[in-house]
Amino acid sequence: KAGVTQTPRYLIKTRGQQVTLSCSPISGHRSVSWYQQTPGQGLQFLFEYFSETQRNKGNFPGRFSGRQFSNSRSEMNVSTLELGDSALYLCASSLIAPLAGNTGELFFGEGSRLTVL
Amino acid sequence: DAKTTQPTSMDCAEGRAANLPCNHSTISGNEYVYWYRQIHSQGPQYIIHGLKNNETNEMASLIITEDRKSSTLILPHATLRDTAVYYCIVSLMEYGNKLVFGAGTILRVKS
Repeated sequence: KAGVTQTPRYLIKTRGQQVTLSCSPISGHRSVSWYQQTPGQGLQFLFEYFSETQRNKGNFPGRFSGRQFSNSRSEMNVSTLELGDSALYLCASSLIAPLAGNTGELFFGEGSRLTVL
Repeated sequence: DAKTTQPTSMDCAEGRAANLPCNHSTISGNEYVYWYRQIHSQGPQYIIHGLKNNETNEMASLIITEDRKSSTLILPHATLRDTAVYYCIVSLMEYGNKLVFGAGTILRVKS
């Protein structure tokens, strides 16, 4: 079956602009989470959505937001971009633990690499 | 902050077993140990997880000490394609989507 799909794969923005990233989870997965990866901070949790509701949120400013649609696809938005927002943004989907047979495994996409100039 | 401690890097000869240690001395009774790896420029990939018992799958084995304060991931026959950053994570399964990644271990498999 198809994996997690993220678009766009690469993008360049300038400071002050905003960006929207898209994530299509694996079919049947209802949970989508987002992570930011930078060389300095490593992989950091942004937020997680289930059934169109944000369930968990990491320690990021309000400029970072997200949403999930009824088909489980998710988008994240970063407004008023700063140079430090340059990063690889990873989306992951999963079944909901602890259903029988569910490992709680996250399936990650290839990421969207954002460069802010 | 990550609840685990891992060596920064390790080398392994191709074909030999790679043993990656992880210390998680503050793990709580209902937290699982997860292992993920990230090959350069790709998203992290799940390897294995466990609670108390040792676990094995087609990719690796996970050995958890009886007191659960540490574990070892074993890649039985490492190949060059196993060169990656390996992350050891402890997490409640019901919050499995919120993983706290540390710096991980850079494993270099050499021919």
